[in-house]
Amino acid sequence: GENVEQHPSTLSVQEGDSAVIKCTYSDSASNYFPWYKQELGKRPQLIIDIRSNVGEKKDQRIAVTLNKTAKHFSLHITETQPEDSAVYFCAALYGNNRLAFGKGNQVVVIP
Amino acid sequence: KAGVTQTPRYLIKTRGQQVTLSCSPISGHRSVSWYQQTPGQGLQFLFEYFSETQRNKGNFPGRFSGRQFSNSRSEMNVSTLELGDSALYLCASSIGLAAYNEQFFGPGTRLTVL
Repeated sequence: GENVEQHPSTLSVQEGDSAVIKCTYSDSASNYFPWYKQELGKRPQLIIDIRSNVGEKKDQRIAVTLNKTAKHFSLHITETQPEDSAVYFCAALYGNNRLAFGKGNQVVVIP
Repeated sequence: KAGVTQTPRYLIKTRGQQVTLSCSPISGHRSVSWYQQTPGQGLQFLFEYFSETQRNKGNFPGRFSGRQFSNSRSEMNVSTLELGDSALYLCASSIGLAAYNEQFFGPGTRLTVL
């Protein structure tokens, strides 16, 4: 079935430290993996995505890595800032062209 | 360019009633997807419409239905409301099918079922 799991569910980090969120998926045919950020009271917004033909993608302080063999992908946030505090959702595209989202990960950056 | 808009923003209904939610996509976007967001369950996919046709459907009962008009605006209907339908309903538009394009979310409609 379409299953995307995120770990850990909540993550607290000191400002300036790095945060890593890991997602696992179940369909080896999945080839598109976006990450959405939802700040408190706001709508989710795409922050980065990766397709299966690459193993890593970076955009300033955020990066996503993909391990297709192990069927997991991770979001890395370096030099965390208070504005990074949010819920982060990962998603995987399944064979029926449906995006399945994880349950979200609450990141709290402690000043 | 105006963002995705949803109406109403808040809604209170009682069990057994029905409700219709509306979503206006970004101009030029032809795909509208609907999601249910509840605490602890994340974003659960309801359905996607593209060019007035339902292209994909999630694992929700038939009480949840939708449609899309020729101007790409979409409506979602929930009949015979249950307490468990209380949630934030988000719609998202994309220029093409959501599977291949960035989705832009609306602010959501907060539905409370009493």
